[in-house]
Amino acid sequence: QVQLKQSGPGLVQPSQSLSITCTVSGFSLTSYGVHWVRQSPGKGLEWLGVIWSGGSTDYNAAFISRLSISKDNSKSQVFFKMNSLQANDTAIYYCARNGGRSDFDYWGQGTTLTVSS
Amino acid sequence: QIVLTQSPAIMSASPGEKVTMTCSASSSVSYMHWYQQKSGTSPKRWIYDTSKLASGVPARFSGSGSGTSYSLTISSMEAEDAATYYCQQWSSNPPTFGGGTKLEIK
Repeated sequence: QVQLKQSGPGLVQPSQSLSITCTVSGFSLTSYGVHWVRQSPGKGLEWLGVIWSGGSTDYNAAFISRLSISKDNSKSQVFFKMNSLQANDTAIYYCARNGGRSDFDYWGQGTTLTVSS
Repeated sequence: QIVLTQSPAIMSASPGEKVTMTCSASSSVSYMHWYQQKSGTSPKRWIYDTSKLASGVPARFSGSGSGTSYSLTISSMEAEDAATYYCQQWSSNPPTFGGGTKLEIK
């Protein structure tokens, strides 16, 4: 069955960076894109970016200067990195598989991030 | 970016009651998608391409709409339907989500 499992730290200091790995199973990264979405009480669900099956990326313009998404198809892993974190980046970060047309059909369990000194 | 406004923000329904929640887009969109989220869990695909039920979603759920107005309807409320429902569009970049409708059981 399709699964996305996330790993990454829960606490980061201000100005530091966040790295999360999304390891997928049940499908190939050469066939599906993987998105990153975050959820916070203040801003709700926000789409951050996507890495497509061919390896190209698209980013939300609001985060493009400090966001990077890459992948290793052979390891079925997608890598998310966001720099220059501030307190308002505190949120739950999700990876999610691209659905058939324009939605997200399977989601990871989420990585709860707190940005605090 | 397209702003999605969901209403009501919070609602409650009795078992067996018909439930309708709406999602209004600031510009016309081609399709609307819906997710169900229960406390402490990830969102789940619930309705996609406006009216298609995701795998495992009970037939009492339905979706409809076009242009700037979309809705999710439950024909007969059940306790397990209590959750927060989010709409989402990707007719234009970036994809955006509504603020959610929290549905509670009376």
